[in-house]
Amino acid sequence: GQQLNQSPQSMFIQEGEDVSMNCTSSSIFNTWLWYKQDPGEGPVLLIALYKAGELTSNGRLTAQFGITRKDSFLNISASIPSDVGIYFCAGHPGAQKLVFGQGTRLTINP
Amino acid sequence: ETGVTQSPTHLIKTRGQQVTLRCSSQSGHNTVSWYQQALGQGPQFIFQYYREEENGRGNFPPRFSGLQFPNYSSELNVNALELDDSALYLCASSSDRDIVGYTFGSGTRLTVV
Repeated sequence: GQQLNQSPQSMFIQEGEDVSMNCTSSSIFNTWLWYKQDPGEGPVLLIALYKAGELTSNGRLTAQFGITRKDSFLNISASIPSDVGIYFCAGHPGAQKLVFGQGTRLTINP
Repeated sequence: ETGVTQSPTHLIKTRGQQVTLRCSSQSGHNTVSWYQQALGQGPQFIFQYYREEENGRGNFPPRFSGLQFPNYSSELNVNALELDDSALYLCASSSDRDIVGYTFGSGTRLTVV
């Protein structure tokens, strides 16, 4: 089945540092999404990408849809304490479902 | 507008038992999707309901079943519980099968002992 490989699995950074994480797939996706999940909550959508090559920003977050349609990355600039959480990439293969990566756990040292 | 509400928040069941989880969709949403999230993993698609009909199913056995009601709320039923069914079960609602417009609930944490 379709799988997404998300890396790194975890990150430990200092407040103010920039963060980069990525997601790769063996399959092509029509849409790439990035979510954040806080403890005890469901995932919340951060950014949606619809076209190969698309680069989209949402405040300090920037994400890109890879040209091959098999990868995406998310960057967070100037991290702050509330950025702590688990970040998931998700691909939409065209059926009525999302395929999620395993997540990147972000920890920030003040 | 109210968001997605799931109940109960936590549940402990014994292997072999049956369980029903409930989801109230966000106001105006007619589509409900269910996901299973094992500890340390990303969510996995179970199935989607649109206008009371199943509209897509992931790689889960038939003992996972669901319902959607006229008010668009939904139930997830799991029969013959196994230890591996222990997970966070997430419900997401959206309009007209929209994937990007998902609103997730906070989930039901099911523990099977």
